[in-house]
Amino acid sequence: DGGITQSPKYLFRKEGQNVTLSCEQNLNHDAMYWYRQDPGQGLRLIYYSQIVNDFQKGDIAEGYSVSREKKESFPLTVTSAQKNPTAFYLCASRLGGTIEAFFGQGTRLTVV
Amino acid sequence: DQQVKQNSPSLSVQEGRISILNCDYTNSMFDYFLWYKKYPAEGPTFLISISSIKDKNEDGRFTVFLNKSAKHLSLHIVPSQPGDSAVYFCAASEGQAGTALIFGKGTTLSVSS
Repeated sequence: DGGITQSPKYLFRKEGQNVTLSCEQNLNHDAMYWYRQDPGQGLRLIYYSQIVNDFQKGDIAEGYSVSREKKESFPLTVTSAQKNPTAFYLCASRLGGTIEAFFGQGTRLTVV
Repeated sequence: DQQVKQNSPSLSVQEGRISILNCDYTNSMFDYFLWYKKYPAEGPTFLISISSIKDKNEDGRFTVFLNKSAKHLSLHIVPSQPGDSAVYFCAASEGQAGTALIFGKGTTLSVSS
Protein backbone atom coordinates (compact mmCIF):
# COMPACT_ATOMS: atom_id res chain seq x y z
CA ASP A 1 0.00 0.00 0.00
CA GLY A 2 1.18 3.53 -0.77
CA GLY A 3 1.63 5.82 2.16
CA ILE A 4 3.85 7.66 4.54
CA THR A 5 5.36 5.77 7.46
CA GLN A 6 6.79 7.16 10.66
CA SER A 7 8.64 4.97 13.08
CA PRO A 8 8.64 4.29 15.91
CA LYS A 9 5.22 5.41 17.21
CA TYR A 10 6.62 5.97 20.73
CA LEU A 11 10.19 6.89 21.56
CA PHE A 12 11.87 7.51 24.89
CA ARG A 13 15.28 9.10 25.29
CA LYS A 14 17.41 10.43 28.09
CA GLU A 15 18.07 14.13 28.26
CA GLY A 16 21.23 15.11 26.39
CA GLN A 17 21.00 12.32 23.81
CA ASN A 18 20.40 12.91 20.13
CA VAL A 19 17.57 10.91 18.58
CA THR A 20 16.53 10.38 14.96
CA LEU A 21 12.92 10.02 13.85
CA SER A 22 12.26 8.11 10.67
CA CYS A 23 9.91 9.18 7.86
CA GLU A 24 9.53 7.15 4.66
CA GLN A 25 7.07 7.59 1.80
CA ASN A 26 6.41 5.45 -1.27
CA LEU A 27 4.06 7.93 -2.91
CA ASN A 28 6.78 9.39 -5.15
CA HIS A 29 6.10 12.79 -3.59
CA ASP A 30 8.59 15.56 -4.17
CA ALA A 31 8.12 17.65 -1.03
CA MET A 32 8.40 16.44 2.55
CA TYR A 33 7.76 18.23 5.84
CA TRP A 34 8.32 17.89 9.56
CA TYR A 35 5.91 19.42 12.07
CA ARG A 36 5.76 19.43 15.82
CA GLN A 37 2.51 19.44 17.79
CA ASP A 38 2.29 20.66 21.37
CA PRO A 39 -0.95 21.09 23.35
CA GLY A 40 -2.66 24.33 22.31
CA GLN A 41 0.08 25.14 19.77
CA GLY A 42 -1.23 23.55 16.62
CA LEU A 43 1.25 22.23 14.06
CA ARG A 44 4.49 24.15 13.84
CA LEU A 45 6.84 23.70 10.90
CA ILE A 46 10.35 22.49 11.72
CA TYR A 47 11.91 21.78 8.31
CA TYR A 48 10.77 21.07 4.79
CA SER A 49 12.37 19.79 1.61
CA GLN A 50 11.24 20.38 -1.95
CA ILE A 51 13.78 18.14 -3.68
CA VAL A 52 16.55 15.70 -2.84
CA ASN A 53 19.63 17.23 -1.20
CA ASP A 54 17.82 20.48 -0.45
CA PHE A 55 15.84 21.62 2.59
CA GLN A 56 14.67 24.81 4.28
CA LYS A 57 14.19 25.81 7.89
CA GLY A 58 10.72 26.32 9.21
CA ASP A 59 9.59 28.44 12.13
CA ILE A 60 11.17 26.33 14.88
CA ALA A 61 14.29 24.71 13.35
CA GLU A 62 16.65 25.41 16.25
CA GLY A 63 17.86 22.20 17.86
CA TYR A 64 16.83 20.03 14.91
CA SER A 65 18.60 18.75 11.81
CA VAL A 66 17.41 16.90 8.70
CA SER A 67 18.77 15.22 5.59
CA ARG A 68 17.21 14.38 2.22
CA GLU A 69 19.55 11.94 0.52
CA LYS A 70 16.73 9.97 -1.08
CA LYS A 71 13.39 11.13 -2.42
CA GLU A 72 11.46 8.71 -0.23
CA SER A 73 13.21 9.46 3.07
CA PHE A 74 13.38 12.57 5.29
CA PRO A 75 14.76 11.71 8.76
CA LEU A 76 14.65 14.27 11.57
CA THR A 77 17.32 14.39 14.27
CA VAL A 78 16.39 15.98 17.57
CA THR A 79 19.66 17.17 19.07
CA SER A 80 20.58 17.88 22.67
CA ALA A 81 20.36 21.60 21.78
CA GLN A 82 16.56 21.38 21.54
CA LYS A 83 15.34 22.78 24.87
CA ASN A 84 11.93 21.11 24.98
CA PRO A 85 12.05 18.03 22.77
CA THR A 86 9.12 16.17 24.30
CA ALA A 87 6.32 16.48 21.72
CA PHE A 88 4.31 14.74 19.02
CA TYR A 89 6.18 14.84 15.70
CA LEU A 90 4.43 14.61 12.36
CA CYS A 91 5.90 14.02 8.92
CA ALA A 92 4.06 14.90 5.71
CA SER A 93 4.62 14.74 1.97
CA ARG A 94 3.11 16.45 -1.04
CA LEU A 95 3.22 15.73 -4.77
CA GLY A 96 4.48 18.47 -7.07
CA GLY A 97 1.66 20.55 -8.57
CA THR A 98 -0.85 19.55 -5.91
CA ILE A 99 -2.20 21.20 -2.80
CA GLU A 100 -2.94 18.38 -0.37
CA ALA A 101 -0.26 17.06 1.97
CA PHE A 102 -0.47 13.55 3.36
CA PHE A 103 0.58 12.90 6.94
CA GLY A 104 2.10 9.96 8.72
CA GLN A 105 0.72 8.67 12.01
CA GLY A 106 3.23 10.56 14.09
CA THR A 107 5.94 9.76 16.64
CA ARG A 108 5.50 10.63 20.31
CA LEU A 109 8.93 11.53 21.67
CA THR A 110 9.41 11.68 25.41
CA VAL A 111 12.70 12.87 26.85
CA VAL A 112 13.32 12.03 30.49
CA ASP B 1 3.44 36.42 14.57
CA GLN B 2 0.80 33.89 13.59
CA GLN B 3 -0.03 33.93 9.90
CA VAL B 4 -3.01 31.58 10.28
CA LYS B 5 -5.35 32.07 13.22
CA GLN B 6 -8.16 29.96 14.59
CA ASN B 7 -9.50 32.10 17.38
CA SER B 8 -12.00 29.62 18.79
CA PRO B 9 -10.26 26.79 20.66
CA SER B 10 -13.46 24.80 20.94
CA LEU B 11 -16.98 24.47 19.56
CA SER B 12 -19.91 22.37 20.79
CA VAL B 13 -22.79 21.48 18.48
CA GLN B 14 -25.76 19.15 18.63
CA GLU B 15 -26.05 16.29 16.20
CA GLY B 16 -27.87 17.30 13.02
CA ARG B 17 -27.10 21.00 13.39
CA ILE B 18 -24.55 23.04 11.46
CA SER B 19 -20.95 23.39 12.65
CA ILE B 20 -19.08 26.51 11.54
CA LEU B 21 -15.34 26.66 12.09
CA ASN B 22 -13.54 29.90 11.35
CA CYS B 23 -10.02 30.79 10.25
CA ASP B 24 -8.28 34.10 9.58
CA TYR B 25 -4.97 34.73 7.83
CA THR B 26 -2.63 37.67 7.56
CA ASN B 27 -0.40 36.81 4.60
CA SER B 28 -2.02 38.14 1.40
CA MET B 29 0.31 35.91 -0.64
CA PHE B 30 -1.52 32.76 0.50
CA ASP B 31 -3.46 31.35 -2.42
CA TYR B 32 -4.37 27.85 -1.30
CA PHE B 33 -6.27 26.94 1.84
CA LEU B 34 -6.97 23.54 3.35
CA TRP B 35 -8.87 22.01 6.24
CA TYR B 36 -7.64 18.94 8.09
CA LYS B 37 -9.29 16.77 10.73
CA LYS B 38 -7.24 15.19 13.49
CA TYR B 39 -7.86 12.61 16.20
CA PRO B 40 -5.53 12.33 19.23
CA ALA B 41 -2.24 10.52 18.61
CA GLU B 42 -2.92 10.27 14.87
CA GLY B 43 -1.82 12.22 11.83
CA PRO B 44 -4.20 14.81 10.34
CA THR B 45 -6.39 13.74 7.43
CA PHE B 46 -7.28 16.05 4.59
CA LEU B 47 -10.88 17.23 4.36
CA ILE B 48 -11.29 19.92 1.74
CA SER B 49 -9.37 22.72 0.06
CA ILE B 50 -10.00 25.92 -1.85
CA SER B 51 -7.89 28.12 -4.07
CA SER B 52 -7.99 31.89 -4.00
CA ILE B 53 -9.72 32.06 -7.38
CA LYS B 54 -12.85 30.58 -5.81
CA ASP B 55 -15.06 31.67 -2.96
CA LYS B 56 -16.74 28.35 -2.27
CA ASN B 57 -15.96 24.65 -2.52
CA GLU B 58 -18.29 21.86 -1.53
CA ASP B 59 -17.73 18.17 -0.86
CA GLY B 60 -20.65 16.27 0.60
CA ARG B 61 -21.40 17.58 4.08
CA PHE B 62 -18.37 19.89 4.03
CA THR B 63 -18.29 23.35 2.46
CA VAL B 64 -15.46 25.86 2.66
CA PHE B 65 -16.08 29.57 2.08
CA LEU B 66 -13.31 32.05 1.32
CA ASN B 67 -13.57 35.82 1.74
CA LYS B 68 -10.33 37.20 0.34
CA SER B 69 -11.03 40.82 1.18
CA ALA B 70 -11.54 39.91 4.83
CA LYS B 71 -8.74 37.29 4.76
CA HIS B 72 -11.20 34.85 6.29
CA LEU B 73 -12.35 31.35 5.57
CA SER B 74 -14.83 29.07 7.21
CA LEU B 75 -15.69 25.38 7.18
CA HIS B 76 -19.36 24.42 7.37
CA ILE B 77 -20.36 20.88 8.32
CA VAL B 78 -24.01 20.05 7.68
CA PRO B 79 -25.46 17.99 9.25
CA SER B 80 -22.99 17.48 12.08
CA GLN B 81 -22.48 13.92 13.31
CA PRO B 82 -20.89 12.57 16.52
CA GLY B 83 -18.08 11.09 14.38
CA ASP B 84 -17.13 14.61 13.36
CA SER B 85 -15.85 15.25 16.88
CA ALA B 86 -12.13 15.97 16.44
CA VAL B 87 -9.65 18.81 16.17
CA TYR B 88 -9.92 20.78 12.92
CA PHE B 89 -6.92 22.61 11.53
CA CYS B 90 -6.92 25.34 8.94
CA ALA B 91 -3.80 25.55 6.74
CA ALA B 92 -2.55 27.87 4.02
CA SER B 93 0.24 28.00 1.47
CA GLU B 94 1.74 30.23 -1.19
CA GLY B 95 1.56 28.16 -4.33
CA GLN B 96 1.43 24.41 -4.55
CA ALA B 97 3.75 21.59 -3.53
CA GLY B 98 7.19 22.61 -2.42
CA THR B 99 6.13 25.57 -0.37
CA ALA B 100 5.37 25.31 3.30
CA LEU B 101 1.90 24.58 4.66
CA ILE B 102 1.24 26.92 7.58
CA PHE B 103 -1.27 25.70 10.16
CA GLY B 104 -3.49 27.37 12.71
CA LYS B 105 -3.72 26.17 16.30
CA GLY B 106 -6.87 24.18 15.69
CA THR B 107 -10.46 24.11 16.93
CA THR B 108 -11.81 21.18 18.91
CA LEU B 109 -15.30 20.28 17.70
CA SER B 110 -17.60 18.27 19.95
CA VAL B 111 -20.83 16.97 18.45
CA SER B 112 -23.29 15.61 20.98
CA SER B 113 -26.08 13.17 20.18
